[in-house]
Amino acid sequence: QQPVQSPQAVILREGEDAVINCSSSKALYSVHWYRQKHGEAPVFLMILLKGGEQKGHEKISASFNEKKQQSSLYLTASQLSYSGTYFCGTAGANNLFFGTGTRLTVIP
Amino acid sequence: NAGVMQNPRHLVRRRGQEARLRCSPMKGHSHVYWYRQLPEEGLKFMVYLQKENIIDESGMPKERFSAEFPKEGPSILRIQQVVRGDSAAYFCASSPLPELSNQPQHFGDGTRLSIL
Repeated sequence: QQPVQSPQAVILREGEDAVINCSSSKALYSVHWYRQKHGEAPVFLMILLKGGEQKGHEKISASFNEKKQQSSLYLTASQLSYSGTYFCGTAGANNLFFGTGTRLTVIP
Repeated sequence: NAGVMQNPRHLVRRRGQEARLRCSPMKGHSHVYWYRQLPEEGLKFMVYLQKENIIDESGMPKERFSAEFPKEGPSILRIQQVVRGDSAAYFCASSPLPELSNQPQHFGDGTRLSIL
């Protein structure tokens, strides 16, 4: 049930945009997004609920397409602080199934 | 308002010893989840507990691993007779309600376990 993320890694210059995709082979009812910096705890970014709802967090937004069973995270005008590994998570009965992760590096 | 507290942050054990990892959930949260993360990998679910009850331990290895969440005190993840393959970061998360589809989990800073 582990969702698959793409790309695995991406390098951006400050100010550039990026898209991270999360796909599941199972029906999705919600998608969670977290960011984890090296050696730290995952930090919650947002939850996308069934219905194609798009949410935003500063200059980070996401969409959810339940028909395609996928979610995309959009980072616009990236900042150095955006560097980290981004995980999507899909809710199981009693836990989250986390994706494989996308390592984002923003350079000056 | 304290977040999820885990201790110790780092733990070193020799093969064959026992490791005890502690997690105090956020105030008001009675649902605790343990995840394991190997280097450069995602988080893998281990066990879900409510006060005094193990609800789902489908991600726990069958041997040497156990977890508890007593009425008083923190949740404990216990690993007996540790082996090199147990080296990982162990994260605890908590939530106020069991429904994960529409609410976030709040993570602690993790315990980095190293086996010599």
